[in-house]
Amino acid sequence: GAGVSQSPRYKVTKRGQDVALRCDPISGHVSLYWYRQALGQGPEFLTYFNYEAQQDKSGLPNDRFSAERPEGSISTLTIQRTEQRDSAMYRCASSLGLWGKKDYEQYFGPGTRLTVT
Amino acid sequence: ILNVEQSPQSLHVQEGDSTNFTCSFPSSNFYALHWYRWETAKSPEALFVMTLNGDEKKKGRISATLNTKEGYSYLYIKGSQPEDSATYLCAFLGSSNTGKLIFGQGTTLQVKP
Repeated sequence: GAGVSQSPRYKVTKRGQDVALRCDPISGHVSLYWYRQALGQGPEFLTYFNYEAQQDKSGLPNDRFSAERPEGSISTLTIQRTEQRDSAMYRCASSLGLWGKKDYEQYFGPGTRLTVT
Repeated sequence: ILNVEQSPQSLHVQEGDSTNFTCSFPSSNFYALHWYRWETAKSPEALFVMTLNGDEKKKGRISATLNTKEGYSYLYIKGSQPEDSATYLCAFLGSSNTGKLIFGQGTTLQVKP
């Protein structure tokens, strides 16, 4: 079946512009996660959702970053007034997350490489 | 601040060698420990999710053990092959009411033919 997909795969934007990154989780997966990954580093947690509810947004760096998952499926991570330090790989992951269990493995998408010039 | 440490940072072995590396994590408020395999330019791929102290899991030539009391997990690769070359990431999940995974920096393994 289809895995987690993300779009766009690459995004180059000018400083000050807003960007929206999209994540399509695996069908039926309850939990959806956003990570930021610097070159050569492990993923850094940003936020996650169970269904449409944002459960934890403690990893969002500042209020320029926001995320939503209005219908409990597709999610959008929005970065307003982008800055050069926002350049990174942004990865989405999903997991079954059924019955409140948190120990399901996460399936990662291919990521969106964001470059802010 | 929760710290997840992996060692060594990188490792070079010959084909056929067996190897292991370590993930250290907080021993309190433990819920689960994940291992992922990550090839550059691809997405991290789940290997194991471990939840119980003393857990041992195995997938082919790769196995992992878990000690939650002392806060460490070992990943073993028996008879390394060039296709095992990748970065191996561990991630800690605490028992607080969140699904927030804290990743280590990874151990990058290079297997020479």
